[in-house]
Amino acid sequence: DTEVTQTPKHLVMGMTNKKSLKCEQHMGHRAMYWYKQKAKKPPELMFVYSYEKLSINESVPSRFSPECPNSSLLNLHLHALQPEDSALYLCASSQGSSRELGNEQFFGPGTRLTVL
Amino acid sequence: QKEVEQNSGPLSVPEGAIASLNCTYSDRGSQSFFWYRQYSGKSPELIMFIYSNGDKEDGRFTAQLNKASQYVSLLIRDSQPSDSATYLCAVNGWQDSSYKLIFGSGTRLLVRP
Repeated sequence: DTEVTQTPKHLVMGMTNKKSLKCEQHMGHRAMYWYKQKAKKPPELMFVYSYEKLSINESVPSRFSPECPNSSLLNLHLHALQPEDSALYLCASSQGSSRELGNEQFFGPGTRLTVL
Repeated sequence: QKEVEQNSGPLSVPEGAIASLNCTYSDRGSQSFFWYRQYSGKSPELIMFIYSNGDKEDGRFTAQLNKASQYVSLLIRDSQPSDSATYLCAVNGWQDSSYKLIFGSGTRLLVRP
């Protein structure tokens, strides 16, 4: 089963709201990722968790806060976002880290976020 | 120079033809290469990966890798209108001091009925 699930599918929030995006995988993968994708652009890496530890933070503003409660779950907490943060937020997982072979990344369906 | 380069397209082919999508990369140390298909408004779907020089076939798809020339390609045989999508080439390599999956900007494929 190569399924990564994400909730919610759509989210509309104001600039003062606090919300969370959730991601789950049950493939036993040890690496999980958050990406941001704007229209007609490729996915842009935000965070990488490897073995439940944050291994890459791509200088993402602190209004985005990732959390990995366990090896199957990944959250992205959102606070005081700006309209330019509106995008498709993608979660992905892989068996191992990018340095290893057999590290194919599988994406979830994404959360379409609109910040008003 | 971009780390992973693709022609943005659109690449337009008639139904039943072979679509050929190309990608070049700059990091000679890269070892893993991927093709993702992305329909409009949807998330990327992994369709092929290749680690060794040569060809790898899966159904109507063939990935080709040439590490000496630093290019990877995707052939789609018997193209169908349902293949119309953006195809993202992705390569594992160094970027901004981190080893990560680096995406090309994608090639839009249009298969005409």
